[in-house]
Amino acid sequence: GNSVTQMEGPVTLSEEAFLTINCTYTATGYPSLFWYVQYPGEGLQLLLKATKADDKGSNKGFEATYRKETTSFHLEKGSVQVSDSAVYFCALSGGGGSYIPTFGRGTSLIVHP
Amino acid sequence: DSGVTQTPKHLITATGQRVTLRCSPRSGDLSVYWYQQSLDQGLQFLIQYYNGEERAKGNILERFSAQQFPDLHSELNLSSLELGDSALYFCASSVAGGNYEQYFGPGTRLTVT
Repeated sequence: GNSVTQMEGPVTLSEEAFLTINCTYTATGYPSLFWYVQYPGEGLQLLLKATKADDKGSNKGFEATYRKETTSFHLEKGSVQVSDSAVYFCALSGGGGSYIPTFGRGTSLIVHP
Repeated sequence: DSGVTQTPKHLITATGQRVTLRCSPRSGDLSVYWYQQSLDQGLQFLIQYYNGEERAKGNILERFSAQQFPDLHSELNLSSLELGDSALYFCASSVAGGNYEQYFGPGTRLTVT
């Protein structure tokens, strides 16, 4: 079946540092890939998405590129802010006729001033 | 605000009891998903409905059931509750199934005592 693996957290950074959160996946066919963010006490929000190989999703300074050859969708941001502190989830859906969405376990990001 | 509403926000009940969680999807969305989020299990997909029909089933216990009504709202029924059922339950909606992004509600926090 499909699976998503994210790096373990928490990731702790100082403000303005560079962020990378690794995500790799296993899936049949051509799924769409997503990053969602969850702020404390809230539901998940879509951060960005990519629907085919080599697509780059971007939003609010975050970027991720759909790499089919390495089955990866790493999240990056050039300069993090304290307000980026949250839990980030990598996810996939579709592909191979599967309707079941698959989420990673989430990576907690803590940004210090 | 994602446009997805969930009620109630908090629920405290005793073991052995039955509860119903309610979800209203975003206007125009036909697909509804239910998830359970706990510290040890992460975000677990339970079940998906599309336009009133069950579309996909994940790690949903036999004690749990769901349905989607003609007006597209959905209910998740949890019965014979156990302490381990204490968790956050999220509903999400999307335009359709497959590759579409999901919009999450604020969740219902269930505490079983």
